[in-house]
Amino acid sequence: DTGVSQDPRHKITKRGQNVTFRCDPISEHNRLYWYRQTLGQGPEFLTYFQNEAQLEKSRLLSDRFSAERPKGSFSTLEIQRTEQGDSAMYLCASSLVGQEQYFGPGTRLTVT
Amino acid sequence: GENVEQHPSTLSVQEGDSAVIKCTYSDSASNYFPWYKQELGKGPQLIIDIRSNVGEKKDQRIAVTLNKTAKHFSLHITETQPEDSAVYFCAASTTGTASKLTFGTGTRLQVTL
Repeated sequence: DTGVSQDPRHKITKRGQNVTFRCDPISEHNRLYWYRQTLGQGPEFLTYFQNEAQLEKSRLLSDRFSAERPKGSFSTLEIQRTEQGDSAMYLCASSLVGQEQYFGPGTRLTVT
Repeated sequence: GENVEQHPSTLSVQEGDSAVIKCTYSDSASNYFPWYKQELGKGPQLIIDIRSNVGEKKDQRIAVTLNKTAKHFSLHITETQPEDSAVYFCAASTTGTASKLTFGTGTRLQVTL
């Protein structure tokens, strides 16, 4: 257990529904990252925050995706109007500036 | 952008043998190279990392080597044990440990008795 927690661990939703995931980083970590991992692939970067500021977003992050970290602690990732192609493991990681990234257990999303 | 290739995709070794996984990267500006181990149903776990100012780093049975000229780095696991069985990912970052990681496609290592 790295100290990064994610909720829920599993989510099944129907196409077109909205879903929201939560990540709680290691408490003193000021950087928080979101990655997406599909079956048989490595994680792909989506976005990251330093404190409450979102500093970078990948082109993978379509306008249906939005992430927030309102108080510089936990973060949420929302997917609107889900599509079957959104089915994946969504991973959160946290770090101190200039230090290693530690990953949470992930949220597995299945869109039916 | 950065591209990381990883080989082999699967690797089977007998307990006690060594395992080697190799990665190449495309961006010569990359300067941080971590390795993660991922077990079924879990998130990636950092096992070792190396920065571009170092050619080799060792931690007990695990070592990583880096060749900046050839743009490749390798993970070496000696005296493998059944609990080493997992998927291993290499990654690269262009601006240090606090930036986004670009991952390889993973190597499934199976250690047989």
